[in-house]
Amino acid sequence: SYELTQAPSLSVSPGQTAIITCYGETLGERYVSWYQHKSGQSPVAVIYQNNKRPSGIPERFSGSISGDTATLTISGTQPMDEADYYCQAWDYSWGVFGGGTKLAVL
Amino acid sequence: QVQLVQSGAEVKKPGASVKVSCKTSGYMFIGSYIHWVRQAPGQGLEWMGRIIPHSGVTTLAQKFEDRVTMTRDTSINTVYMELSSLRSDDTAVYYCARVTGDRVGDISTYYFDYWGQGTLVTVSS
Repeated sequence: SYELTQAPSLSVSPGQTAIITCYGETLGERYVSWYQHKSGQSPVAVIYQNNKRPSGIPERFSGSISGDTATLTISGTQPMDEADYYCQAWDYSWGVFGGGTKLAVL
Repeated sequence: QVQLVQSGAEVKKPGASVKVSCKTSGYMFIGSYIHWVRQAPGQGLEWMGRIIPHSGVTTLAQKFEDRVTMTRDTSINTVYMELSSLRSDDTAVYYCARVTGDRVGDISTYYFDYWGQGTLVTVSS
């Protein structure tokens, strides 16, 4: 089955840039979405189709893909950005999530 | 506005079944696929499957093919996910989520734009 790999955790200071990566074989041939998930809340899409931001998502969130690695970049990270972040792609009709990266803003 | 409202928390015994509902509003029900995603305690998001409200056709993750049934009632714009033969490791928050995309029918462009609030299912003897 198709797999997406993320680092389990990342820690940044407020104002720094957070870079979260997601690797998958042939990921460069697919679209990647990113979801922010805070404890006790429902996930929220912050990036779709590799680099598009849904309405209402701050500009500090950006996405890119190079080869088979997708990247979520949070510029000027704020304490409110502390959350779990998941990449997601489609394997034909089946959805696949990465294992998630816990972002701590300390 | 688009809303997905799920049924309340459930406590079930091992071997039982649970049926979670997801009532949608604010958009054309048959126009968007609904997916189910779960998160077990301390674990990540796990995609379970989807239903096409127009036809009722479902696609399930392989690990759930034997135990999950997804249905819909177009008269009340609601989808259901039933999980049978419950085990303790089925304890999780279950979410329904709508997908949208730039190109109708092109799954590769889809992403989850609206989510239900989640339903906690606890399996315990």
